[in-house]
Amino acid sequence: DIVMTQTPLSSPVTLGQPASISCRSSQSLVHSDGNTYLNWLQHRPGQPPRLLIYKISNRFSGVPDRFSGSGAGTDFTLKISRVEAEDVGVYYCMQATQFPHTFGQGTKLEIK
Amino acid sequence: QVQLVESGGGVVQPGRSLRLSCAASGFTFSSHGMHWVRQAPGKGLEWVAVIWYDGSNKYYADSVKGRFTISRDNSENTLYLQMSSLRAEDTAVYYCARWGDYRTFEIWGQGTMVTVSS
Repeated sequence: DIVMTQTPLSSPVTLGQPASISCRSSQSLVHSDGNTYLNWLQHRPGQPPRLLIYKISNRFSGVPDRFSGSGAGTDFTLKISRVEAEDVGVYYCMQATQFPHTFGQGTKLEIK
Repeated sequence: QVQLVESGGGVVQPGRSLRLSCAASGFTFSSHGMHWVRQAPGKGLEWVAVIWYDGSNKYYADSVKGRFTISRDNSENTLYLQMSSLRAEDTAVYYCARWGDYRTFEIWGQGTMVTVSS
């Protein structure tokens, strides 16, 4: 199984400041079809998870442009350009390149 | 609007069975693969199972293989998860999610809580 490792596990951020979360996979996420199926999800308290980013860097419908994804191969990053209060929650990277799909441990974003 | 609503959760004794349902509305259910994902208390997300749009393929996490069965009824727009030989470690909120383009989990239900306890 592919192991997804996120850092940091906790990220206290000041409102209006940037935040960055890293995700590393134990093997390349490049699929035989040439795509890299690395997604980022946000999980706010009391709500279901929400898709933010798919295929490394594509923002899902309705996701603010302050969220961006980057990376390749085994190393990926989620960045929030200016953190807002509504961004508080847990962020997960997830690989959908092969089964079983696997998630990172989650990074808790909180406001200082 | 596009919606997924899980039901069937509750408290069940170890070794017993439970069936979860996920009712879909607002989209063509028979055109989409579907997943189950769970979150144990205080833990992260764990993928559980997937079923193709027509039920032709199914995959499971090792932790539930042989005990859980994913199925669907496209005439009823409903996804199921039959859980048997339940263990304490199966205690979690269970979410269903629609499989979108580019292998995304694009729509999620609100979740249903399953507690396995004597």
